[in-house]
Amino acid sequence: EAGVVQSPRYKIIEKKQPVAFWCNPISGHNTLYWYRQNLGQGPELLIRYENEEAVDDSQLPKDRFSAERLKGVDSTLKIQPAELGDSAVYLCASSRREDRGRTVKNIQYFGAGTRLSVL
Amino acid sequence: QKEVEQNSGPLSVPEGAIASLNCTYSDRGSQSFFWYRQYSGKSPELIMFIYSNGDKEDGRFTAQLNKASQYVSLLIRDSQPSDSATYLCVEGGTDKLIFGTGTRLQVFP
Repeated sequence: EAGVVQSPRYKIIEKKQPVAFWCNPISGHNTLYWYRQNLGQGPELLIRYENEEAVDDSQLPKDRFSAERLKGVDSTLKIQPAELGDSAVYLCASSRREDRGRTVKNIQYFGAGTRLSVL
Repeated sequence: QKEVEQNSGPLSVPEGAIASLNCTYSDRGSQSFFWYRQYSGKSPELIMFIYSNGDKEDGRFTAQLNKASQYVSLLIRDSQPSDSATYLCVEGGTDKLIFGTGTRLQVFP
């Protein structure tokens, strides 16, 4: 089974330039997540999709960040314009809910991430 | 707002020893926790899942959950240099995961 695929792996841009990241989740996973991870920190959720619907985008800086998940499969995350503080690793994850009696098990599988450097 | 706290480390242990990683969480109602391992420059990978009080064992790994103390731990027996990584404690009872900042483990030969 192929894992979560992200591209590009690395991106270096100048501030004020636009940038886009792409993610292909694991087949059959209806939930897709975008995270940002700063050095020495845990991942922070930016947006969560259930199929093609964004159900949690409360942490997404909407003035410069946008995301889409057309057809409920692949997703893109865009930053326009990028700022120096956006330098981080952007992780995509996907999951499929497993109901086990009283417990809902939601294992998220992560892609390799895109390391963004804004100069 | 839910929080998960971990000591950032590094935690240094000799090869063959038991490594003990801990975290505390703020939401008394939390029931499910994950431990993810993240090698430098790599993405997090799941190593353990626990949702009930007590211990859960998988090979060299044992996860412990103490709901009364709001405390989660991960024990790694017979630590190997290949276990050197950052270990993320994660609260995951809903669709939203709450990550700790991670504890860096160093296993030296």
